[in-house]
Amino acid sequence: DAGVIQSPRHEVTEMGQEVTLRCKPISGHNSLFWYRQTMMRGLELLIYFNNNVPIDDSGMPEDRFSAKMPNASFSTLKIQPSEPRDSAVYFCASKWNWDRSYEQYFGPGTRLTVT
Amino acid sequence: GQQVMQIPQYQHVQEGEDFTTYCNSSTTLSNIQWYKQRPGGHPVFLIQLVKSGEVKKQKRLTFQFGEAKKNSSLHITATQTTDVGTYFCAGPAGAGGTSYGKLTFGQGTILTVHP
Repeated sequence: DAGVIQSPRHEVTEMGQEVTLRCKPISGHNSLFWYRQTMMRGLELLIYFNNNVPIDDSGMPEDRFSAKMPNASFSTLKIQPSEPRDSAVYFCASKWNWDRSYEQYFGPGTRLTVT
Repeated sequence: GQQVMQIPQYQHVQEGEDFTTYCNSSTTLSNIQWYKQRPGGHPVFLIQLVKSGEVKKQKRLTFQFGEAKKNSSLHITATQTTDVGTYFCAGPAGAGGTSYGKLTFGQGTILTVHP
């Protein structure tokens, strides 16, 4: 299994530009989570999906952030317009929601730098 | 809302010394998980504890779940340079945790090991 796949791995953009982060969960997993990690705030949950449906987006910091999951094998997190304070590592994680384990499988992350 | 606190925030040890990190939840947890994140890497699941007072071992790592299911610890015996990284505890977060595996992560303990 390839694990959770994220792209791009690194993104450098200028303030005001649109940024789209991509995630492919592990095949068969039906829950998907987007996290943001910074030194100051640690690992924050932004939004999560179950069976492609957004369940809780209360962690999304502002309306500039949006996320979609058009099918079971693809999700995007979009920031428009981006700001320097959005600089962070963004992780996608997935899990199979029907077993007793709460284990989440994290992707390698996208390191976003907004200048 | 639910809070998961970890101490210490940082720990520097000499190779061969022991290391312990502690995790405390503001609410009773149905289970607790531990993750390790190597520098520049992503969180990787280590273990899940479910039962009150449960103790599990993985080679030099010993995990404990408190009797009240509100605290946990991770102890590493005779640290090695390969143990370097950030150790996170995480617990199910409210109804979302029960239904979808949503987790609240502690802030993590950053472990450095001097050879």
